Amino acid sequence: SAVISQKPSRDICQRGTSLTIQCQVDSQVTMMFWYRQQPGQSLTLIATANQGSEATYESGFVIDKFPISRPNLTFSTLTVSNMSPEDSSIYLCSVEGSAASQRVFGSGTQLSVL
Amino acid sequence: QKEVEQNSGPLSVPEGAIASLNCTYSDRVSQSFFWYRQYSGKSPELIMSIYSNGDKEDGRFTAQLNKASQYVSLLIRDSQPSDSATYLCAVNTGNQFYFGTGTSLTVIP
Repeated sequence: SAVISQKPSRDICQRGTSLTIQCQVDSQVTMMFWYRQQPGQSLTLIATANQGSEATYESGFVIDKFPISRPNLTFSTLTVSNMSPEDSSIYLCSVEGSAASQRVFGSGTQLSVL
Repeated sequence: QKEVEQNSGPLSVPEGAIASLNCTYSDRVSQSFFWYRQYSGKSPELIMSIYSNGDKEDGRFTAQLNKASQYVSLLIRDSQPSDSATYLCAVNTGNQFYFGTGTSLTVIP
């Protein structure tokens, strides 16, 4: 399976600021997925990012709040904009695993917003 | 009704015992089923995949799938303290990938 590097691993941010999370994959992948895991909750898909096209956002998530870039087949960024304490979560980058039906995850970014 | 349901636990077992984790799903057309292990503060790690009815064994882990009952389980034999984690069940329907909320497992030395 692909190896996914994500950074930063954690950050503490002030309300109203923005944070950009980077995701680097060691092989070319068609789709990259961004998830959020709020404390004590399961994983929620934010958006799917394909290279060369706009990301597809899930219900409840909008581009202005979570802009995504996908400049090539190995890299993507997720920005959490105008943060509030409710954005405190683990943010996870994911790609398909050894089988297309699987998902594998990066190391995650633990975000705390004060 | 949630797409994937798990008992949140916590589930406690003594070291060396068998831990049994259960999951039910709602979409009958689901084709692929997964178990992830997530340590506190870490990202989910894929530990088992199962695609057809029956049992699939990998070391101390056995995944069981019953599509008629829409039921997936994970058995951990000879449980170790290092198995203490949250276990997430996930289901791929072909169009969507759904996660359960996870079952917290504690293995008591």
